[in-house]
Amino acid sequence: GESVGLHLPTLSVQEGDNSIINCAYSNSASDYFIWYKQESGKGPQFIIDIRSNMDKRQGQRVTVLLNKTVKHLSLQIAATQPGDSAVYFCAENIEDSSYKLIFGSGTRLLVRP
Amino acid sequence: DAGVTQSPTHLIKTRGQQVTLRCSPKSGHDTVSWYQQALGQGPQFIFQYYEEEERQRGNFPDRFSGHQFPNYSSELNVNALLLGDSALYLCASTYSGDTQYFGPGTRLTVL
Repeated sequence: GESVGLHLPTLSVQEGDNSIINCAYSNSASDYFIWYKQESGKGPQFIIDIRSNMDKRQGQRVTVLLNKTVKHLSLQIAATQPGDSAVYFCAENIEDSSYKLIFGSGTRLLVRP
Repeated sequence: DAGVTQSPTHLIKTRGQQVTLRCSPKSGHDTVSWYQQALGQGPQFIFQYYEEEERQRGNFPDRFSGHQFPNYSSELNVNALLLGDSALYLCASTYSGDTQYFGPGTRLTVL
C-alpha cells in the first residue's frame, strides 16, 4: 500500500508497552479535539475526541489528555499491539464558528513484535 | 451499515485536464467535507457542503468546486489540473456537526 507519510516523527515501541503520542495545537480558541489513526492506503479513522471543558477522556485502551494552558494534547495507548502501527493525527476545531478540522502533521507509530 | 465511500480509488490525469471525484456519506449523515492530503502531511480542508450548498471553504483556489445532491452525496471537481494537485482526496461525512468520519480517499496523480 501507499505510504501516508515519508518524513514523519516516528515513535517505536515494544508490543505490550504503553505508547504516548503528543500534539501541540495551534489555536487557543479551539475547543474540540480529535485523534485519528491512518493506516497505509486508508482514510483517517476516528479514535477518540475531547472537548475543552474536560482535561481527560478514556476509551477502550486509549486515553486523551488535554492541557489548554500549553495547548498540548496527548494520546495514550495501553498495551500497544501490532495492529496499532499507523500514522496518528490530532485535529482541532472551533465548534461554534467553524466546520473545518485543522490537522497536525502526524506521528508514525511502529510496534516492534 | 456502509461507511463513507469514494470513487474512483485511483486516478491519473495530465496537466490542464479536469477531474471529478465522488463521495457517498455514511448512512444518516447529511454533511460532506472534502480534504486534500499531500504525501507526508495532514489533511487540509477544502470545503464543506450542507443542504446542497457550500457552507465553508478553506484556502483553495476557485479551480476547486463541488456539489451536493439531494441524497447528500457529493462531488469534488478540479479544473486546469496542476502537478501540485497530486494528492489523496478525502471525503468526510457528519450529522449535525458531530464527529467527521472519513472515507478511504481517491489518489489523484497529475502527470
